[in-house]
Order: sequence, then C-alpha cells, then structure tokens
Amino acid sequence: NAGVMQNPRHLVRRRGQEARLRCSPMKGHSHVYWYRQLPEEGLKFMVYLQKENIIDESGMPKERFSAEFPKEGPSILRIQQVVRGDSAAYFCASSPGSKNTEAFFGQGTRLTVV
Amino acid sequence: SQKIEQNSEALNIQEGKTATLTCNYTNYSPAYLQWYRQDPGRGPVFLLLIRENEKEKRKERLKVTFDTTLKQSLFHITASQPADSATYLCAPRGAGNMLTFGGGTRLMVKP
Repeated sequence: NAGVMQNPRHLVRRRGQEARLRCSPMKGHSHVYWYRQLPEEGLKFMVYLQKENIIDESGMPKERFSAEFPKEGPSILRIQQVVRGDSAAYFCASSPGSKNTEAFFGQGTRLTVV
Repeated sequence: SQKIEQNSEALNIQEGKTATLTCNYTNYSPAYLQWYRQDPGRGPVFLLLIRENEKEKRKERLKVTFDTTLKQSLFHITASQPADSATYLCAPRGAGNMLTFGGGTRLMVKP
C-alpha cells in the first residue's frame, strides 16, 4: 500500500503563473487535508476535503487559492497568479475517517516563486 | 480563539536522559490528542494518540499524558538517542474534525 503521494516534489513558478499541486491519498482514504509550512514555522491548516466535498476551508485565503478532491483522481491545490509570499512547503495528509484516526502525510511540494 | 502552544525554543538534552515536551491548549475541548514527529524536509509522521478518558499512553520509549483539567499534554522520550532529534508536533482534535497543529518543539539529543 503506497503512502500519500505528492507531486511534484519541487515546483518553480514565476510571479503571476499558476501552481497546481497534486495529492494522491492512501488507498481507502477518503479524507484529505492540505497544510502550508514556511521555513522554521509550524504547519498551518488550509483546507479539509472529503470526496467531492469541501468540509472546512477556513485556513485557505479567499482569493487565488482553491482545492478539489474529485470522485476520480488526486486532490488538487491550485494557486492562481502566484506571488513571492506563496513560496512554502505544501503538505497533504489523508485519513480513512474523520475521528480518532491518525493522518498520513506526503513528503510535500516545495513551491518557489521567482 | 483556539490556541495550541508548544515551547518554540529548542530543547537540548544529553543522550540517555529523558526528554519532556509540553503542549498547552486553550479554547479547545479535544476528544483526543495526537503527537507527530517531523524531520527536516519531510512530512510529519504519527507517533501516538491519546483519548480524553485516558490519562497516560505508552509506546516503547514514548509516553504521553493528557490532563483535560490543566488543558495540557506532556510527551516524554526516555533513554533518548541522537536519532530522536527532530521537531515534535502536538495536535489536539477539536470541533470541525480538522487536524490542527501546534508550532512544534525541536529536540536535539547530543551524544
């Protein structure tokens, strides 16, 4: 059973471009969480999705950021018109349920905006 | 607002000693609390989960306590080793089912 797969591992974008980050959860997991981490800082919750539904997006900026978890395929975190401040590591985690279950993390996507 | 506080200063200890990390939370009533380990450049890895009706949980050299009155969890690593050096994150699980983390405490175990 492969772990949580994130790709790409590293992504470089110029200011104004779009960034698409992909996350394939572990097999059988229907809950996905996205986090952002700046250097030397903690994990900041962005969004929580369950297949085809956004459950909680309270940590995601209202503009330029969107997330989806379609019935088929990976979860996508999309950042439009990237700015230098978007440079960070973005981690995805999955779990089989929402309660009393550990979350399994991917290795992250390191986004650099130049 | 909900807050999770972990000591932001690094904890330096000698190999073989017990490391104790603290997690305090406010405006939460978590049904359970999780601890994770994160190494540089990698995603967090789950270590332990403790429920609100459990006072203490052990796993090999790890021990976690959970005091819902004090709103605090303590994480202990006994007989620490240099390989235990990492950042440790606590995550009380509250309303909304989202998993929210404290800022983490970096542990450095010196040989």
